[in-house]
Amino acid sequence: AQKVTQAQTEISVVEKEDVTLDCVYETRDTTYYLFWYKQPPSGELVFLIRRNSFDEQNEISGRYSWNFQKSTSSFNFTITASQVVDSAVYFCALSRNNAGNMLTFGGGTRLMVKP
Amino acid sequence: GAGVSQSPSNKVTEKGKDVELRCDPISGHTALYWYRQSLGQGLEFLIYFQGNSAPDKSGLPSDRFSAERTGGSVSTLTIQRTQQEDSAVYLCASSPQGLAGGSEQFFGPGTRLTVL
Repeated sequence: AQKVTQAQTEISVVEKEDVTLDCVYETRDTTYYLFWYKQPPSGELVFLIRRNSFDEQNEISGRYSWNFQKSTSSFNFTITASQVVDSAVYFCALSRNNAGNMLTFGGGTRLMVKP
Repeated sequence: GAGVSQSPSNKVTEKGKDVELRCDPISGHTALYWYRQSLGQGLEFLIYFQGNSAPDKSGLPSDRFSAERTGGSVSTLTIQRTQQEDSAVYLCASSPQGLAGGSEQFFGPGTRLTVL
């Protein structure tokens, strides 16, 4: 069985602070995929990133960066110099390498960035 | 291009009534998914369609739930004899291909179902 845990249910920061959202996963598969999605107040899930289990390179996209560590089964997400527009619920998700690729989601972390 | 669309955006129904929720995936996407987002259960997979293959219904919570996909495009999720615990946001997603490879899924805005 697969499981994704986002231990932080809610984080509040002041604008321009850096913030890291934690994600820990469990799977017995050797090939799998990890995702981060953003859900702003409008409700629509927005794709942010996908990583496969064989690529542990960290990735940076503007103010966003991701740290994938197989040794600790973690896929953490850092926002540098946070902005009010970053306020949203962020979901980490896992899929198997099989037909369907259904996503197993973590419980989400609500990020509130205050001006 | 147009994204995934869902209708209605909101649905209020009485316990025991049947409801139908509709999803229009992105044109050309062969894979279609239904998920449910509720306070108690978080985001959970319900059902998956890939082309003309038999759907994967492994996530449906009970036999009151069913879904179909006509012509490999539009999908309808039907909940019969609704219960209060069915209250949730029902999300549809589509993907260019649902085969092994971890393709990105594009989500619609969801239908908020409230069962009184």
